[in-house]
Amino acid sequence: NAGVTQTPKFRVLKTGQSMTLLCAQDMNHEYMYWYRQDPGMGLRLIHYSVGEGTTAKGEVPDGYNVSRLKKQNFLLGLESAAPSQTSVYFCATIQGGTEAFFGQGTRLTVV
Amino acid sequence: DAKTTQPPSMDCAEGRAANLPCNHSTISGNEYVYWYRQIHSQGPQYIIHGLKNNETNEMASLIITEDRKSSTLILPHATLRDTAVYYCIVRSTLMDSNYQLIWGAGTKLIIKP
Repeated sequence: NAGVTQTPKFRVLKTGQSMTLLCAQDMNHEYMYWYRQDPGMGLRLIHYSVGEGTTAKGEVPDGYNVSRLKKQNFLLGLESAAPSQTSVYFCATIQGGTEAFFGQGTRLTVV
Repeated sequence: DAKTTQPPSMDCAEGRAANLPCNHSTISGNEYVYWYRQIHSQGPQYIIHGLKNNETNEMASLIITEDRKSSTLILPHATLRDTAVYYCIVRSTLMDSNYQLIWGAGTKLIIKP
């Protein structure tokens, strides 16, 4: 039982390049979330999904897109990477009112 | 904005109880208090949660004041592995909240030998 798996774990992008981060969960949870965390700060919500085929904007959605074509996968896309998107990205899942489960993070550097 | 206030940092001696305070004076009746911790920038880890009664599990105890405006997380016998950033979060039980977690900066707890 892997829980929540994020790929890749590390990535370096050049400004203007695009990439997709994958979050995969094997717990059959409905709710999935993408966060970013900058040094010394708490997590900020980028986008979230309340079920397969749904997505919604969070606190800091600009520059990101998401898709949830399958219940177990939640993809975060950067269309044209900028240095301001250098951060650690976390995926999380929740089922109803239970606790959240997090992936181990993706460390992204945009140069 | 986060709905909780925590001290930015605390120290505790190894083997002693670590008591981490949290203020949530604007908490509403349908909001739980959740605690998570983050070790070395890994993914946050759930610790415990409660509504109004004190709670205990294998990791920690949660003491919530009667007016629910503040709480304390207690790690009964702190070890060096408990060094982490601890986040106190209030979260709605209602589905229309989408169960979102709003994170503050947390408390950096350092356990000293």
